[in-house]
Amino acid sequence: DTAVSQTPKYLVTQMGNDKSIKCEQNLGHDTMYWYKQDSKKFLKIMFSYNNKELIINETVPNRFSPKSPDKAHLNLHINSLELGDSAVYFCASSQSGTVTLQLQYFGPGTRLTVT
Amino acid sequence: GQSLEQPSEVTAVEGAIVQINCTYQTSGFYGLSWYQQHDGGAPTFLSYNALDGLEETGRFSSFLSRSDSYGYLLLQELQMKDSASYFCAVGTGRRALTFGSGTRLQVQP
Repeated sequence: DTAVSQTPKYLVTQMGNDKSIKCEQNLGHDTMYWYKQDSKKFLKIMFSYNNKELIINETVPNRFSPKSPDKAHLNLHINSLELGDSAVYFCASSQSGTVTLQLQYFGPGTRLTVT
Repeated sequence: GQSLEQPSEVTAVEGAIVQINCTYQTSGFYGLSWYQQHDGGAPTFLSYNALDGLEETGRFSSFLSRSDSYGYLLLQELQMKDSASYFCAVGTGRRALTFGSGTRLQVQP
């Protein structure tokens, strides 16, 4: 069974469109994350949710809106897509706690290409 | 804020030993982790150090010196499959990790 799954794996869309990425984890973790990895492979935290509550919201444009319907799911909706949004988006999960959050499980990633 | 520095690229031959260094500056520190990412794949956890010293897991070891804000990942008996990017990451109590920019390791035959 896949621990952290994301859909879709690839997403090609035009500028101005709205798209969503879904993430689910079956590890029983209480914390989920969205990361963005750019073309230089820099991995940057975007959002963190703990038990459905938003904990971290980095300086991300408000076109990005995460939603956590329950602690096993974390979705990412992006409005008015721009060329600069092209990247790989990773969902991850962990247990909260200063030690356990160091061990994060990543989903396979969603490669978003905006044309 | 947090910043981590690691070399951008390292090249080594099969069977050799390679060390990837990481220096960090953080406000608050809860440990240094290492992740491996193959091209097209997801980051996967390798090791974690909360205290000073060496942690060994098979061919991989990780070291931490909190007084020097420094750590390294040591890979022994290199194999072709070890060709990947390696990221150090720090936990700072923000309930998230801050990742370094990654070191691309190329293992040559």
